[in-house]
Amino acid sequence: DGGITQSPKYLFRKEGQNVTLSCEQNLNHDAMYWYRQDPGQGLRLIYYSQIVNDFQKGDIAEGYSVSREKKESFPLTVTSAQKNPTAFYLCASSGTGVFTDTQYFGPGTRLTVL
Amino acid sequence: AQSVTQLDSHVSVSEGTPVLLRCNYSSSYSPSLFWYVQHPNKGLQLLLKYTSAATLVKGINGFEAEFKKSETSFHLTKPSAHMSDAAEYFCVVYGNKLVFGAGTILRVKS
Repeated sequence: DGGITQSPKYLFRKEGQNVTLSCEQNLNHDAMYWYRQDPGQGLRLIYYSQIVNDFQKGDIAEGYSVSREKKESFPLTVTSAQKNPTAFYLCASSGTGVFTDTQYFGPGTRLTVL
Repeated sequence: AQSVTQLDSHVSVSEGTPVLLRCNYSSSYSPSLFWYVQHPNKGLQLLLKYTSAATLVKGINGFEAEFKKSETSFHLTKPSAHMSDAAEYFCVVYGNKLVFGAGTILRVKS
């Protein structure tokens, strides 16, 4: 089945640690995105990538980093610089048109900082 | 700049009664608009999208939305609610990026 997978589903982190969230897609999509979701705030864009080896900051990139070494993969690292990292993180992908093609979402990773 | 306002944070209906989730948008040009649904601890699923074709858009699971330019609205409706419709719904407008509304939680009572 084609789709987007995110792992792990739940992640716990101690303060001061970096953690990496995985996102993989087998839809042959060029564009990939990371969003953060907090209660009552909808989704906010962290980073996006239109093609391999290229990515752009979204609205709330501070404290996060990404890489796009393969078309299928777009991992997100939450660094210790992110002041309030506890949230639900969603990865999405779309065809060639960044923000114009329909975005398909993964099941999400819930990150909790202890 | 684009923006979207979902007018109700929570909506409660009885099973079998109509559903209305309200969304107003702001856009400096003809927008693309979407409705997504999210069940608890799940990703978002596309319900329907409007891209300047027919103003009445039919989506999955019996949902539809009507684009009204004069009212800058894109309300989501369903004639008869089902228990499985209980979820959070997001109205989204496309500008130079996707702008998400804050969400409306739909509760369906038996």
